Amino acid sequence: GAVVSQHPSRVICKSGTSVKIECRSLDFQATTMFWYRQFPKQSLMLMATSNEGSKATYEQGVEKDKFLINHASLTLSTLTVTSAHPEDSSFYICSARQGDNEKLFFGSGTQLSVL
Amino acid sequence: AQSVTQLDSHVSVSEGTPVLLRCNYSSSYSPSLFWYVQHPNKGLQLLLKYTSAATLVKGINGFEAEFKKSETSFHLTKPSAHMSDAAEYFCVVSDRGSSNTGKLIFGQGTTLQVKP
Repeated sequence: GAVVSQHPSRVICKSGTSVKIECRSLDFQATTMFWYRQFPKQSLMLMATSNEGSKATYEQGVEKDKFLINHASLTLSTLTVTSAHPEDSSFYICSARQGDNEKLFFGSGTQLSVL
Repeated sequence: AQSVTQLDSHVSVSEGTPVLLRCNYSSSYSPSLFWYVQHPNKGLQLLLKYTSAATLVKGINGFEAEFKKSETSFHLTKPSAHMSDAAEYFCVVSDRGSSNTGKLIFGQGTTLQVKP
């Protein structure tokens, strides 16, 4: 089946630094990728939707200047958390969709800890 | 607007007994509904999905769910729980409204505990 690789799986950084998370579709072209955030014991919350070659669409309440999303190719989307703060600590998951197929394939997630 | 409510945050069953995870949805359109499972430190995996075909949907690992429009429910069941079923389960509705974004809206999740 289709595989989505998310890297890194875990990152610890100092407050004020930026962190980049990569999401790659390994065996299919992902026209749409989604980025989610999961707080402990809570559900996934959609942060943004990115389509290849265009600007990401952010959900209400998500700061686009803080969470930079780039979807420059059909197999790669990146989420950069800029000037990270402890409250940004969370589990981030990406998912990818091929064409109009509703089925999504998920990465294994990235646990971000900001000290 | 679409929304999803998972009625139980935590369900505990004994191995070999039936599993019932409850989900109610709200949708202005004919919804697509999904159940996903998340094992610790792993990504989400699709268990099954309903897209206006048969109302009883069979998924992987012996799970199935029944779409009941009159009750706006999509409960997940399994006749006999296995220890490996212990995980977090998410009921999800696809926002196919006028924008046709296919955006997923997640329920709060239900933690399934399976006791030996």
